[in-house]
Amino acid sequence: GENVEQHPSTLSVQEGDSAVIKCTYSDSASNYFPWYKQELGKRPQLIIDIRSNVGEKKDQRIAVTLNKTAKHFSLHITETQPEDSAVYFCAANSGGYQKVTFGTGTKLQVIP
Amino acid sequence: DTGVSQDPRHKITKRGQNVTFRCDPISEHNRLYWYRQTLGQGPEFLTYFQNEAQLEKSRLLSDRFSAERPKGSFSTLEIQRTEQGDSAMYLCASSYSASGNTIYFGEGSWLTVV
Repeated sequence: GENVEQHPSTLSVQEGDSAVIKCTYSDSASNYFPWYKQELGKRPQLIIDIRSNVGEKKDQRIAVTLNKTAKHFSLHITETQPEDSAVYFCAANSGGYQKVTFGTGTKLQVIP
Repeated sequence: DTGVSQDPRHKITKRGQNVTFRCDPISEHNRLYWYRQTLGQGPEFLTYFQNEAQLEKSRLLSDRFSAERPKGSFSTLEIQRTEQGDSAMYLCASSYSASGNTIYFGEGSWLTVV
């Protein structure tokens, strides 16, 4: 089955700096890679996703890149703000029934 | 609110008791997922339905766990003879297969087994 690994597990940045979170996946058939943000005690919320037919996608301060050859994808947050502080999860789909497997999460702290 | 709704939001139960959680997906979504999440971990896949058919079950889903989606709309997740290790947040999510399968989560049902 799919295995998604995520690094780092914790990340502290100064407000205004950039943050990068990296994930690798194992199933070469995976073609959908969402990223979720989860605040303490709340549901994971989709922030951006990318499909395998593109290499990069951007939405304001958030961008995701995908390297299918190397089977890794990354989340980039620019001009970080304190409200970006949360746990971020990467995920990848797999299998004929499109199960979505999550990484272990990155706790991002943006220091004012 | 047209999002995924879950009930109850919190449940405290004694070890050995049975508990049942309900999930109402977004109305047009044909796929429904159950995940379990413990503190500091990502959501772990438990099971998945397309319409009323349960298509996949994780090895995490022991014989004490059962999920149903009888009419292809709401779903229930039952845990029998609860154990302390079952304490977690149980997340339901739904998606629509024809729109790229983006999944949307409910707020979760917190289970504490004492």
